[in-house]
Amino acid sequence: GAVVSQHPSRVICKSGTSVKIECRSLDFQATTMFWYRQFPKQSLMLMATSNEGSKATYEQGVEKDKFLINHASLTLSTLTVTSAHPEDSSFYICSARDRGAFTEAFFGQGTRLTVV
Amino acid sequence: AQTVTQSQPEMSVQEAETVTLSCTYDTSESDYYLFWYKQPPSRQMILVIRQEAYKQQNATENRFSVNFQKAAKSFSLKISDSQLGDAAMYFCAYEPGTASKLTFGTGTRLQVTL
Repeated sequence: GAVVSQHPSRVICKSGTSVKIECRSLDFQATTMFWYRQFPKQSLMLMATSNEGSKATYEQGVEKDKFLINHASLTLSTLTVTSAHPEDSSFYICSARDRGAFTEAFFGQGTRLTVV
Repeated sequence: AQTVTQSQPEMSVQEAETVTLSCTYDTSESDYYLFWYKQPPSRQMILVIRQEAYKQQNATENRFSVNFQKAAKSFSLKISDSQLGDAAMYFCAYEPGTASKLTFGTGTRLQVTL
């Protein structure tokens, strides 16, 4: 299968600062990328969907101004958590899809964000 | 809205035995896809098996097979000859045919014992 690389795998930041998480499709062009949030022992909750060159579509209840998503190229999407607070601490997972080429989405390794 | 329900928070199986994980879903779509994903302790999501709704034949991937009952909106996963490496969280997921948006169930934690 195709490879999606997510970086960093772990990050600790101070409350009030911003942190950026990168998601790269290494061997395919990802026309669509997804960002999920997973709380401990819970399922993946879709935060937003982004198409290359377009604004992201956010799920209901997700703050657009707090979780900035950029999908500027066919191989890179970024999630920036702005003015992070302890309640933003979570596991964030990206996935990438080229619907014309693959029958499923591929997932990154995830990023554990801890806000102190 | 589509929903995916996994009614078994935890399951346990002995090594070499067979276990079935349940999943039901709700949709008004006729064209869709169903998936089972495995999330081991590393938390990397791994695709286990995929089923297209228009296919009547149940998907099979080595020791993993599904029982897809479209009318009942049921999609169970059977793991045969269970191995220690099968221990993980298993998520059932639904994707409409018109969009690339996955909806996940709440997951089933599978333990494999000796």
